[in-house]
Amino acid sequence: AQSVTQLDSQVPVFEEAPVELRCNYSSSVSVYLFWYVQYPNQGLQLLLKYLSGSTLVKGINGFEAEFNKSQTSFHLRKPSVHISDTAEYFCAVSGRGSQGNLIFGKGTKLSVKP
Amino acid sequence: DAGVTQSPTHLIKTRGQHVTLRCSPISGHKSVSWYQQVLGQGPQFIFQYYEKEERGRGNFPDRFSARQFPNYSSELNVNALLLGDSALYLCASSPGQGIGTDTQYFGPGTRLTVL
Repeated sequence: AQSVTQLDSQVPVFEEAPVELRCNYSSSVSVYLFWYVQYPNQGLQLLLKYLSGSTLVKGINGFEAEFNKSQTSFHLRKPSVHISDTAEYFCAVSGRGSQGNLIFGKGTKLSVKP
Repeated sequence: DAGVTQSPTHLIKTRGQHVTLRCSPISGHKSVSWYQQVLGQGPQFIFQYYEKEERGRGNFPDRFSARQFPNYSSELNVNALLLGDSALYLCASSPGQGIGTDTQYFGPGTRLTVL
């Protein structure tokens, strides 16, 4: 079984500052890792995913994440945030060989202030 | 191309009633998954269907059921509604069986309120 822990429920940051949203996972098997973003009153949009290969993954809207197997982490980063990045961010895991259902963390609300 | 569509967008029901939620996947996608997102929480997996067969089920009571039609659209049914069923219900589609590498694309969700 897999589980995901998002360490911060809320992250306030000023516009143009860097941000890191933390995600740790637990699994007895190898995993695929994902970050999704949810804007108010909308569904989830895929930001990026780690399947295999390079541990640094680049996604849409300038976001990137690094897979660290020894620390079982998959933190999301952006060097300079915009007001439009204000949203809720979800880290998710899927076990390799599983039926593909995603296990989500509880989410981190990113608030970008002017 | 149209994304995943869900209907209705909002729904209000009373305790004990039955509800049916509908989902149309992206054209060419054969897998549909359903998730429940309670306010303040991440989505929780309910069901996955691939080629009209149930391929996965989360930890939900038998009051929850689903099916997939020959055109790959899907319905989620919930019987004997409880207050705790109030949530955003998300549908996601993927091209194949959704095993890991298959990206799941989410619809906008149906907001269910049980009074």
